[in-house]
This record gives sequence, structure tokens and C-alpha cells, in this order.
Amino acid sequence: DTAVSQTPKYLVTQMGNDKSIKCEQNLGHDTMYWYKQDSKKFLKIMFSYNNKELIINETVPNRFSPKSPDKAHLNLHINSLELGDSAVYFCASSQANTHSGNTIYFGEGSWLTVV
Amino acid sequence: AQTVTQSQPEMSVQEAETVTLSCTYDTSESNYYLFWYKQPPSRQMILVIRQEAYKQQNATENRFSVNFQKAAKSFSLKISDSQLGDTAMYFCACDSNSGYALNFGKGTSLLVTP
Repeated sequence: DTAVSQTPKYLVTQMGNDKSIKCEQNLGHDTMYWYKQDSKKFLKIMFSYNNKELIINETVPNRFSPKSPDKAHLNLHINSLELGDSAVYFCASSQANTHSGNTIYFGEGSWLTVV
Repeated sequence: AQTVTQSQPEMSVQEAETVTLSCTYDTSESNYYLFWYKQPPSRQMILVIRQEAYKQQNATENRFSVNFQKAAKSFSLKISDSQLGDTAMYFCACDSNSGYALNFGKGTSLLVTP
């Protein structure tokens, strides 16, 4: 069984559309993350949730809205997609926080292309 | 601001040789963890090794080891007996001040040649 699974894996969509990426983890972790990897492969934290509560919300446009219905799921909804949103989006999870040395486990990534 | 710097955008090494990837970081925390992740062409992020700042002993995992210099805030990764399957992007990361994210460096692209 995949520990952190995200769907879809590939998504091609037009500018202006709204799309969602779903993420689920079956590791029993209570912290989940969304990272964005741009074309230069730079990985940047977007959001982190602990027990469904938003902990980190980096300077991300309001068009991006995470939703955590329970601690095993963290979905990412993007409104009014722009060309610059094209990237690979990684969902990840960890047990508690990284100060305890807890490893962050990543999903396989969702490759979003906006045309 | 917390930063992680990888000064080598690209490196190459011949099979069976040893290569060292550099990483420096900046943090205000007294205890923290450092990580190296590998991202092969499949794009999957795979943990290679991690180090707790309080531990003086350098972490090792089979062919992978680190040289952790706390005072210098340096955390380099040594890969011994390089294999073709080691070809990947390697990211150094430090846990953030909040403890709820990892801050990543920009990565080093490693190519292992026959």
C-alpha cells in the first residue's frame, strides 16, 4: 500500500480553470504538508497542517486553498489557474513535528501544467 | 530567515568512486535535525540519511555517510562506491524553526557515469 498517495499524478488544464489535488496518508501521521517544486526543482513549503489545524501558510496566493477534512487527508484546491502555477506539487506527512526528528514522507507528486 | 545552501548545482562521479556533496545551513535553534533526500528521475522524494544536531557521531547508512560540523553549520553527504542508481537530485534540508516544515536547499544534480 502506498503510504502517501496523491491524485491526479498528471494534470493539464487551461488558464482560469479551478482544479483540486487530493492527498491521503495511511501512516497514522498527524502532520501533513503541501510543497511546490518549480521548474528549477526548488522545493518550497506551501502549507502544513497538524491534526487538521493550519500551522504554516507561506506567502501563497489566496487562489490556493488547502482543506483537511481529517488528519489523514489534505487536499489542495486552486482557483483561477495561471501559467505560473505549473509545477510539481508534493503532498507529505510526518508524525508530529520535525523537531523530534520525524521523517517527512512524500507522495509521488502531482505534475500540474497550465496552458 | 533560515536558509539551506547547496553550492554545487551539478556533479558527476564515475561508478565505484566516492563523491561528496556540500551543504551549509543557518538556524537559530539549539537542537534540530538535518536530512538528505534523493530525487531520482521518477521524482519520488526518498530519505537518504538524517542527523540530530546533538549527536556528535556522524550518521551512516550503508554507502552513505555525513560529515556534520555543527560549529561551521556544515552537513555534507559522502557517497562511497557510487552506483548508476545513485544518479539523482540530492536535497539537503533542515527542520524549520516552527518544527512543521523542512527547508530545502536548491539541490545538487549528481550523475554517476560508467
